[in-house]
Amino acid sequence: NAGVTQTPKFRILKIGQSMTLQCTQDMNHNYMYWYRQDPGMGLKLIYYSVGAGITDKGEVPNGYNVSRSTTEDFPLRLELAAPSQTSVYFCASSPSQGAQETQYFGPGTRLLVL
Amino acid sequence: AQSVAQPEDQVNVAEGNPLTVKCTYSVSGNPYLFWYVQYPNRGLQFLLKYITGDNLVKGSYGFEAEFNKSQTSFHLKKPSALVSDSALYFCAVLSGFYGNNRLAFGKGNQVVVIP
Repeated sequence: NAGVTQTPKFRILKIGQSMTLQCTQDMNHNYMYWYRQDPGMGLKLIYYSVGAGITDKGEVPNGYNVSRSTTEDFPLRLELAAPSQTSVYFCASSPSQGAQETQYFGPGTRLLVL
Repeated sequence: AQSVAQPEDQVNVAEGNPLTVKCTYSVSGNPYLFWYVQYPNRGLQFLLKYITGDNLVKGSYGFEAEFNKSQTSFHLKKPSALVSDSALYFCAVLSGFYGNNRLAFGKGNQVVVIP
């Protein structure tokens, strides 16, 4: 059981470039989440999904897009990278009761936009 | 709206002494409260949660937390701190409305346990 896996671990982007952060979970969880962590700011929810084909915005969705075609995968897309998107990105999942359940986090992707 | 406040940036404690990390919350309706821990270069790990029932919640690694509704607090405690407890601790809250999936995290507290 690998849990929640994220790729890549680290990436440097130039302003205006695009990339996809990958997230996969093998626990058959319906709920998946994307957060960003900035120093001294805690975690902010970007997007979440309650199941395949269903996504919704979180607190800070601007500049990001998501899709959920399968239960296992929840990729996060950055279309036009900006320095403000420099952050550490965490993917998480939880069982069918949603956010009141324990969330299981991936190891994170560190993104630097220059 | 839902939010948590973790008033201290860093908590320093000597090994073997009691450890307390403070958290206060603000929600509409009944709160679901969580503590997560983050070790360097790792994702967050679940410690414990309060959903309903007994106000004293026991969790992983000897940690416990007490839900105090009148003070809107959910402080994390450990009777005897270990050097390995040095990490970043996050409190989080969810208001218990149906369909609410937006867990709100505090800014985190760095705990340093001094040998």
